[in-house]
Amino acid sequence: DAGVIQSPRHEVTEMGQEVTLRCKPISGHNSLFWYRQTMMRGLELLIYFNNNVPIDDSGMPEDRFSAKMPNASFSTLKIQPSEPRDSAVYFCASSPGVRTIRDGDEQYFGPGTRLTVT
Amino acid sequence: GIQVEQSPPDLILQEGANSTLRCNFSDSVNNLQWFHQNPWGQLINLFYIPSGTKQNGRLSATTVATERYSLLYISSSQTTDSGVYFCAVERIRGANNLFFGTGTRLTVIP
Repeated sequence: DAGVIQSPRHEVTEMGQEVTLRCKPISGHNSLFWYRQTMMRGLELLIYFNNNVPIDDSGMPEDRFSAKMPNASFSTLKIQPSEPRDSAVYFCASSPGVRTIRDGDEQYFGPGTRLTVT
Repeated sequence: GIQVEQSPPDLILQEGANSTLRCNFSDSVNNLQWFHQNPWGQLINLFYIPSGTKQNGRLSATTVATERYSLLYISSSQTTDSGVYFCAVERIRGANNLFFGTGTRLTVIP
């Protein structure tokens, strides 16, 4: 399996531009997560999907951020307009989605997209 | 949310030495994962260990869920072990997402 695939790996853009990050989860996984890593806040959840449906987007910083999952094999995270404080590494992760009350569900992370907004 | 504390925050080891990293968490969990973030920024899954003990080569981990802590053991450390080690947990009653600790930065010197 190729694992979780993210693109682009690096993105440099100017303030005010639209940025779209892409993720392909592991085939057969039913849950998809977007995390952001910054020096100040560490790794934190932005949004996650179960069976392509957004479940919790409370981590999305503001209306400039939006995420979609049109099908089981693709998700996007869009920032419009981008600002310098959005500079971070954005990780996508997927899990099989068989979580029960007793058992958790192992997550697998993509390589990340390093975003720099100047 | 849930608090996840890792110690020590920084650790410098001579190659060949052993170490123990600790992760404390403030609520009941049904998922605990250890990751290694390498110098290129990739998050590598080390262990999925909500309870019990697992071993993989020079690494092993133990989680005592009832006492809300987990330990990661690294034996005979190598320079390639350098990087940041994260503990992340998923609450039993809550959303599916992982809450990450602040990490232990390990530097192994030759």
